[in-house]
This record gives sequence, C-alpha cells and structure tokens, in this order.
Amino acid sequence: DAGITQSPRHKVTETGTPVTLRCHQTENHRYMYWYRQDPGHGLRLIHYSYGVKDTDKGEVSDGYSVSRSKTEDFLLTLESATSSQTSVYFCAIGQGTLTGELFFGEGSRLTVL
Amino acid sequence: AQTVTQSQPEMSVQEAETVTLSCTYDTSENNYYLFWYKQPPSRQMILVIRQEAYKQQNATENRFSVNFQKAAKSFSLKISDSQLGDTAMYFCAFMKRSGGGADGLTFGKGTHLIIQP
Repeated sequence: DAGITQSPRHKVTETGTPVTLRCHQTENHRYMYWYRQDPGHGLRLIHYSYGVKDTDKGEVSDGYSVSRSKTEDFLLTLESATSSQTSVYFCAIGQGTLTGELFFGEGSRLTVL
Repeated sequence: AQTVTQSQPEMSVQEAETVTLSCTYDTSENNYYLFWYKQPPSRQMILVIRQEAYKQQNATENRFSVNFQKAAKSFSLKISDSQLGDTAMYFCAFMKRSGGGADGLTFGKGTHLIIQP
C-alpha cells in the first residue's frame, strides 16, 4: 500500500472554529490532492499541489486553503468551519501522467455542528 | 473542463452473474487516462482498472474488463462471475495527459453495486 497517512481520521467541531487536516506521504510523489466526498456527488477536488509551495484551486475550493512546505506534507485548512463542510475528506498522491493512478489515504470524517 | 457521468446510481445482481457498469465522459482532449475505482464499505479507494486513450485494446484485470469506445466517449466496466466481495461503490474517473496530470482525476458520482447471495 502507498504510504499515505491522514490525521485526524475523525473530528467533530463547531461552526466557526478553524480546522486543519494533515496528509503525510512517504512515497516522494510530486503531486498531492485534497478531495471531499459527499453522497450523490462522488469525489470533488478541493485543492492540489504540484510541488513544494506550488498549489492551485480545484472545483470546490471556497472556504478552504492549503499549504505544502515539505514534499511529504499537505495541509488542508478550514479557516471557519461551516455545516456545509461536513464531509469525508480524502488525500491522494500521484506521479502525474507517468502512471495516471492516484493513491488515496483512508479518509477523514469531519462533522461540523 | 471534463465531465464524467455514471447513469446508474445503484445496481443489484446475484452472485456469479455478470454485470456491466456504465460511464460516459465529455472532453476535448485527445490523450487521457480512464479509470475505475472501487470503494468498499471500509471507505478505502482501490484502483480496479486503467485504460490509456491511445490504446485501442480494452484493458482487462482478471474478472474485470472494460469496453472503451473512444469515439462515443464511453467506458463501461464488466465484472464477470461476480462475488460478494465486489459489493462496493464504483467510480469512473478521467485524467487528461496535458499539463502532466497535475489537476488530478475527475470523478463520476458513482454506482452502488450490490451482489446478492
């Protein structure tokens, strides 16, 4: 299995509080991604990174920010969580079109009350 | 932008039967990858099969095979001799090769496949 660790795996928080999810990889893959999964929507891309300090927005980036200060770590931050951000968040890593395949973490379930 | 459509929200078949999951996509790209991912109740995302658009031959992996129709922008997954462990959500996904694949995969909404004993 690809070495991807997400933390925390479960979190319950209140509206208006900041939340940071961490993704850590041991594969030295260049590309890292944050997706959210909601019933009826599949997986939707929030932000992605193509190198240290190189990030870009995905389809559903409003209310989220990211940072990548090291190759192995990709942080997703909700500055002020809202109930609409209740979701399961997946981190993924890949080598771009070298293989195309993305490897996924186990997901982090976030509940915003 | 690319879109991926899975028109079957849920399917149910008997164990040992063959089942086909549908996927269509829309893109102006000529060179890309297509994937099927499986997500069992454990929530883990597992790659089932990959197809490169420039290859005319349909990909196969044991009991899993695809019918790739590039002109029709169709990419269906066939599961032969279905097993109880095949019960899962199945996602069709697209990656364009231009840009190096930096912007990742575009997913369909998924098909929930239930294998009945």
